[in-house]
Amino acid sequence: DIVMTQSPDSLAVSLGERATINCKSSQSVLHNSNNKNYLAWYQQKPGQPPKLLIYWASTRESGVPDRFSGSGSGTDFTLTISSLQAEDVAVYYCQQYYSTPFTFGPGTKVDIK
Amino acid sequence: EVQLLESGGGLVQPGGSLRLSCAASGFTFSSYAMSWVRQAPGKGLEWVSAVSASGSSTYYADSVKGRFTISRDNSKNTLYLQMSTLRAEDTALYYCAKLRGDHVWDYFDYWGQGTLVTVSS
Repeated sequence: DIVMTQSPDSLAVSLGERATINCKSSQSVLHNSNNKNYLAWYQQKPGQPPKLLIYWASTRESGVPDRFSGSGSGTDFTLTISSLQAEDVAVYYCQQYYSTPFTFGPGTKVDIK
Repeated sequence: EVQLLESGGGLVQPGGSLRLSCAASGFTFSSYAMSWVRQAPGKGLEWVSAVSASGSSTYYADSVKGRFTISRDNSKNTLYLQMSTLRAEDTALYYCAKLRGDHVWDYFDYWGQGTLVTVSS
């Protein structure tokens, strides 16, 4: 199974400042056949289901604000919120869909400082 | 508008069975793979099972293999999860999720609100 880890476990950022979340997979999720990283990011606010933010490691889902961006390849990935807004308070999960069982990172809680 | 409405959750004793349903609308259900993902109270997300668009291919987490069965009825736009030999550790909010493509190696683009399963005596 591919193990996903995230760092930090939580972070508090001032409004308007940058938030950076790291995600690491225990093996590469880059598929040689199409050169795509099978890595997604989700946002989950309290009492709500997860919401897709980023797929293929760096493609922003339609309707997601452009302050959210994803980067990385192979085993190391980053989700960046360029200017944190109050509505971004949530838990963020990375997930690999390269192979079953699909696995999620443990989550990173983002709060306002 | 894509809508996924889960039902069937509840309180069940250890060793019991339960069937979850997910009624889908707002998209061509038969064209997309579907999945179940669960979240234990206060915990993270755990993938449970997935099924291809046609229903011909199914996949399970080791923790539920042999106890849970995923299926779909494309004529009724409904996804199911038959759960048996339930354990306390199966207690969770179960989400139905739509995948972006017709096969399971894809990301989850829509999620339902979830149905709560509690396994306790």
